[in-house]
Amino acid sequence: QVQLQESGPGLVKPSQTLSLTCTVSGGSVSRGGNHWTWIRQIPGKGLEWIGNIYDSHSSFYNPSLKSRVTISLDTSKNQFSLKLTSVTAADTALYYCARAHGDFVYYFQSWGQGTPVTVSS
Amino acid sequence: QSVLTQPPSVSAAPGQKVSISCSGSSSNIGKNYIAWYQQVPGTAPKLLIYDNDKRPSGIPDRFSGSKSGTSATLGIAGLQTGDEADYYCVTWDSSLSVVFGGGTKLTVL
Repeated sequence: QVQLQESGPGLVKPSQTLSLTCTVSGGSVSRGGNHWTWIRQIPGKGLEWIGNIYDSHSSFYNPSLKSRVTISLDTSKNQFSLKLTSVTAADTALYYCARAHGDFVYYFQSWGQGTPVTVSS
Repeated sequence: QSVLTQPPSVSAAPGQKVSISCSGSSSNIGKNYIAWYQQVPGTAPKLLIYDNDKRPSGIPDRFSGSKSGTSATLGIAGLQTGDEADYYCVTWDSSLSVVFGGGTKLTVL
């Protein structure tokens, strides 16, 4: 049973970079066939796909966020990470990491519990 | 504004059946499989339906899915109070993005 746990600062200042990490247990981020994904949920709103990474070289990002997002893998720590630059209050949200396995990048079988991030000075 | 359109809320009495619609276009639902998620307040979403109408192991057959053209529907039969949650449809869009519906809040009266 793959389990995921998000970690990172809960408060980020405007214009700075939001950095979050997802630690994976019960499975390896190096194993093929997995799409390691970040999703966010603005308070009281719906879900927004941020992007995913398939292996160390294949990543896909939401076109609306693509210029500010980087998702990377750290196989030595069995983690994957999110960096979102130039944040504004609109980036305040609950951030989830998730795993999709197989051909479809939106079949998320495993989720973290979510970590809240507030953008404020 | 979400790419996929869902009703903001639906309600029904325990034991009854409810349907939740998800409307898209030829660039998303029209050419890709749909998945549905259930999000109980305060928890992470859970995969309910994939490939339009398949249920992962452990999901009761009270939950069903269907797709026709550019729309999809989630059905929940034999409603229980534990089914109160937000429900989201999701698929792939030709803009090269995963797209979610805006979510539907189910109230079991």
